[in-house]
Amino acid sequence: KAGVTQTPRYLIKTRGQQVTLSCSPISGHRSVSWYQQTPGQGLQFLFEYFSETQRNKGNFPGRFSGRQFSNSRSEMNVSTLELGDSALYLCASRGASGGMPSSDTQYFGPGTRLTVL
Amino acid sequence: DQQVKQNSPSLSVQEGRISILNCDYTNSMFDYFLWYKKYPAEGPTFLISISSIKDKNEDGRFTVFLNKSAKHLSLHIVPSQPGDSAVYFCAAAVTGGGNKLTFGTGTQLKVEL
Repeated sequence: KAGVTQTPRYLIKTRGQQVTLSCSPISGHRSVSWYQQTPGQGLQFLFEYFSETQRNKGNFPGRFSGRQFSNSRSEMNVSTLELGDSALYLCASRGASGGMPSSDTQYFGPGTRLTVL
Repeated sequence: DQQVKQNSPSLSVQEGRISILNCDYTNSMFDYFLWYKKYPAEGPTFLISISSIKDKNEDGRFTVFLNKSAKHLSLHIVPSQPGDSAVYFCAAAVTGGGNKLTFGTGTQLKVEL
């Protein structure tokens, strides 16, 4: 079974630009979550999509948005980039709806490394 | 407000010895806990988990202990191997809270020969 794929793997943008990151979950998985990893902050939850609906949202400004398509692929968009948005953006997929955590846990992609200059 | 804390940013142990990684949490709603391992340039990979109805879960060389009264959990790796060198993240979840995980800041484990 193919794993979670994220594109692009690396991205360099300048302040004020916008960026779109893509995530393809494991086949059959309907839940996609996005996380931001920065040094000293660990992984911080951005949002989760399940069956094309945003189900959970973290404490990030409205410049961060996402969506999920009918094939479960997800995109994340960041508008008006700031230097502090430089981070590794990770996507995770899970098959279960999440009502009861189980050993069927989330599988992470390799991430997109975003650098804002 | 960091709800999940890993107070040791790094840990160094000798091959064959025990590695103990610690994690504290503040949110009493958390009822499921996980440990992930992360190598550079890769996404985190799931290691082991524990539900709040248990106080111990074991999987091969990895054992997780949960002390609910202290809001503390720990990951024991015995024996430690050089391939275990990675960043270890503790994460917590709330049943019914979707798939949102709250992570700690990670502990860099280095297993030396």
